[in-house]
Amino acid sequence: KAGVTQTPRYLIKTRGQQVTLSCSPISGHRSVSWYQQTPGQGLQFLFEYFSETQRNKGNFPGRFSGRQFSNSRSEMNVSTLELGDSALYLCASSSDMKTQYFGPGTRLLVL
Amino acid sequence: ILNVEQSPQSLHVQEGDSTNFTCSFPSSNFYALHWYRWETAKSPEALFVMTLNGDEKKKGRISATLNTKEGYSYLYIKGSQPEDSATYLCASLDDYKLSFGAGTTVTVRA
Repeated sequence: KAGVTQTPRYLIKTRGQQVTLSCSPISGHRSVSWYQQTPGQGLQFLFEYFSETQRNKGNFPGRFSGRQFSNSRSEMNVSTLELGDSALYLCASSSDMKTQYFGPGTRLLVL
Repeated sequence: ILNVEQSPQSLHVQEGDSTNFTCSFPSSNFYALHWYRWETAKSPEALFVMTLNGDEKKKGRISATLNTKEGYSYLYIKGSQPEDSATYLCASLDDYKLSFGAGTTVTVRA
């Protein structure tokens, strides 16, 4: 089975712009979770989707949003980027919150 | 918000020695405890998912125990090898949300 894929792998944006990151889960997995990792911080939960429904959301401002499509692919969007949004964004897919399989991540740099 | 804590933050181990470290989590509303290994420049890799009090899991030289009543889990590495050098993360599952600890970074010296 192909693993979790994320695109793009690297991204440079400037403050105020918006960005969309994409995650394709392992075939058959319907749960997709997103996490943010910043220097000195652990993995911070952003949101989780299952069958196109958001089941939980972390403590992030409304600038962070996501969605899931009928084929389980997921996107997250960050609007009005701030310097502090520079981070590694990881998505993980699972069979309903069991073992999480992580993608390679998207490294976002906001200048 | 779940508060998952791991200790120590980092440790150095001589090759061949065994080591262990701790993950503590709120014991109320417990669903599952996950362990992941995160090597530099790679993605986190699942080690164990544990759900039952007293559960013990083993994968090669790595094993884990779970105490859901007191809210802690131990991860053990027996006969550490340089390839065991990584950050080990635990995470507690609650309401479709995995809350991760900050990790224990293990460095194995040859």
